[in-house]
Amino acid sequence: DVKVTQSSRYLVKRTGEKVFLECVQDMDHENMFWYRQDPGLGLRLIYFSYDVKMKEKGDIPEGYSVSREKKERFSLILESASTNQTSMYLCASSFSMTANTEAFFGQGTRLTVV
Amino acid sequence: GENVEQHPSTLSVQEGDSAVIKCTYSDSASNYFPWYKQELGKRPQLIIDIRSNVGEKKDQRIAVTLNKTAKHFSLHITETQPEDSAVYFCAASGGNQFYFGTGTSLTVIP
Repeated sequence: DVKVTQSSRYLVKRTGEKVFLECVQDMDHENMFWYRQDPGLGLRLIYFSYDVKMKEKGDIPEGYSVSREKKERFSLILESASTNQTSMYLCASSFSMTANTEAFFGQGTRLTVV
Repeated sequence: GENVEQHPSTLSVQEGDSAVIKCTYSDSASNYFPWYKQELGKRPQLIIDIRSNVGEKKDQRIAVTLNKTAKHFSLHITETQPEDSAVYFCAASGGNQFYFGTGTSLTVIP
């Protein structure tokens, strides 16, 4: 069973703080994704990575950065948290670009910026 | 890039009735179309998927149809049950990333 694990279910941070959201997958997947989920807007892609140290911007990368130093771990970084980054963040992984198979999701991190 | 539109945004049906959710996509290079179910407070999970070389796929009460010419695909749930109540997302992928619809909140009324 594929497991995608996010480090926190709930986080409360102050405006201006640097925030790290961690995601680990245990199935040797090449692709990893960070999405933001807001009511009525669905799942919007922030960044994705198809290999270690590789990253690609998604639809809404502004205010975020990512790090992928190891294949199993993909971190999302909010350089200076703002209240408009209050949201549910979902990490996902999939096998590879060429295989084009389903994405498996983590349980989500609900981030509140105050 | 790809643009996926999903309708309706909310759907209420009586238990036992059928539910249909429709999605359109714009990029003819998309060739994989998964559907995800997200129950309240839980992660999205795949319920069914279809590839572009297939027109229809069924799994018990769930079916998906794909019309490549018209660039639309639909989820059909028959004999709905209260446990089908959830948010459903369609997605399209050409291999590099997944493009999601905005979701449909389905409520099955007992």
